[in-house]
Amino acid sequence: NAGVTQTPKFQVLKTGQSMTLQCAQDMNHEYMSWYRQDPGMGLRLIHYSVGAGITDQGEVPNGYNVSRSTTEDFPLRLLSAAPSQTSVYFCASSIQGVGETQYFGPGTRLLVL
Amino acid sequence: QKEVEQDPGPLSVPEGAIVSLNCTYSNSAFQYFMWYRQYSRKGPELLMYTYSSGNKEDGRFTAQVDKSSKYISLFIRDSQPSDSATYLCAMSGGGRSGGGADGLTFGKGTHLIIQP
Repeated sequence: NAGVTQTPKFQVLKTGQSMTLQCAQDMNHEYMSWYRQDPGMGLRLIHYSVGAGITDQGEVPNGYNVSRSTTEDFPLRLLSAAPSQTSVYFCASSIQGVGETQYFGPGTRLLVL
Repeated sequence: QKEVEQDPGPLSVPEGAIVSLNCTYSNSAFQYFMWYRQYSRKGPELLMYTYSSGNKEDGRFTAQVDKSSKYISLFIRDSQPSDSATYLCAMSGGGRSGGGADGLTFGKGTHLIIQP
């Protein structure tokens, strides 16, 4: 099992550009989520999904879109990047829900200029 | 007041010492409590998982949860230089109606340094 994979590892964007952060898991997990990690802020929930076709907002959803067309993939889209979105983004998954062990990916470092 | 408070450190101790890491929280709905370890430029990895109050031991690690005081702890015995990392506490109420929705609420993390 590859576990949770994320691409790219590092990305530089200009303000206003759009991009998609990829997240995939091969463990047949129903629950997937996205967090951002900023210095002094800890990890904060952006969006999550409890299964294919179902997504919901977390604590900091503004400026991000998600979709879940398959169990395996949960991409995070930045519609118009802003410097405030400079962060490290982590995807996580678990078998069914948030009350279970969350498996995190290696992260994507994003710099918005 | 933030939902989860955690001293960011750094906390520096000599090799072999017992390390105590702590978090306090304000949301009485939290019932799942976790400790994650994060090495520099890596994703968090789960160390300990506890449901509700009580103690749990796994090798050199012991997690304690006191829901009456809204206080959780992680103890590391016989600390090693390889334990040097950032330790994140995380907790959840289990989601809306217990259905597994929503996400984890994290502390800011404590940076731990074990001196050889």
